Amino acid sequence: DTGVSQNPRHKITKRGQNVTFRCDPISEHNRLYWYRQTLGQGPEFLTYFQNEAQLEKSRLLSDRFSAERPKGSFSTLEIQRTEQGDSAMYLCASSSVWDRGFSSSYEQYFGPGTRLTVT
Amino acid sequence: ELKVEQNPLFLSMQEGKNYTIYCNYSTTSDRLYWYRQDPGKSLESLFVLLSNGAVKQEGRLMASLDTKARLSTLHITAAVHDLSATYFCAVVSPPAGNNRKLIWGLGTSLAVNP
Repeated sequence: DTGVSQNPRHKITKRGQNVTFRCDPISEHNRLYWYRQTLGQGPEFLTYFQNEAQLEKSRLLSDRFSAERPKGSFSTLEIQRTEQGDSAMYLCASSSVWDRGFSSSYEQYFGPGTRLTVT
Repeated sequence: ELKVEQNPLFLSMQEGKNYTIYCNYSTTSDRLYWYRQDPGKSLESLFVLLSNGAVKQEGRLMASLDTKARLSTLHITAAVHDLSATYFCAVVSPPAGNNRKLIWGLGTSLAVNP
């Protein structure tokens, strides 16, 4: 399977604990995105990388959240001191972004998500 | 700042009927995407619309783009239960160096009833 994979698929943790999620993008994709989605809402942008560089982080993102993509391949998203409000589906997507004059592509391919429940 | 609005947000329709979902966006963009999400699942790309007047069709779904009106439509023909899902549109943000990205609508939750 050459799609985007995420691990774990489900995580239940107690408030105050730290959690880490992993995302493996499609291998030739240079961009990797993290989103959070709660029930009935659209994807909320968290951060994204181009290769290993973190290009943008949402202003809404607490400093308890950190993401890395050390070698420009897989990425990890860590949430420290989890709170009940962190309960959500965390989605990872990847894309192969190229921009040559009038040609560009920003289509994102999503992984299955990690559902986090903080009790 | 680019904003993307979808309407309706909720749609309940009968099998066999036709309906249209609308996606408006606030500033110029040249790329628009439609995604589908089944309950508890991730997002699946449906259509990529790359130019003014673009029309794409897949089965009972047809998407179109009018960049001058900043409007995309997703038309459903003769709906069937399998189309029940949430549909999102996403628009590429205006050129800003290297930081173009997708801006998402809130989604339209579609329920097709027998």
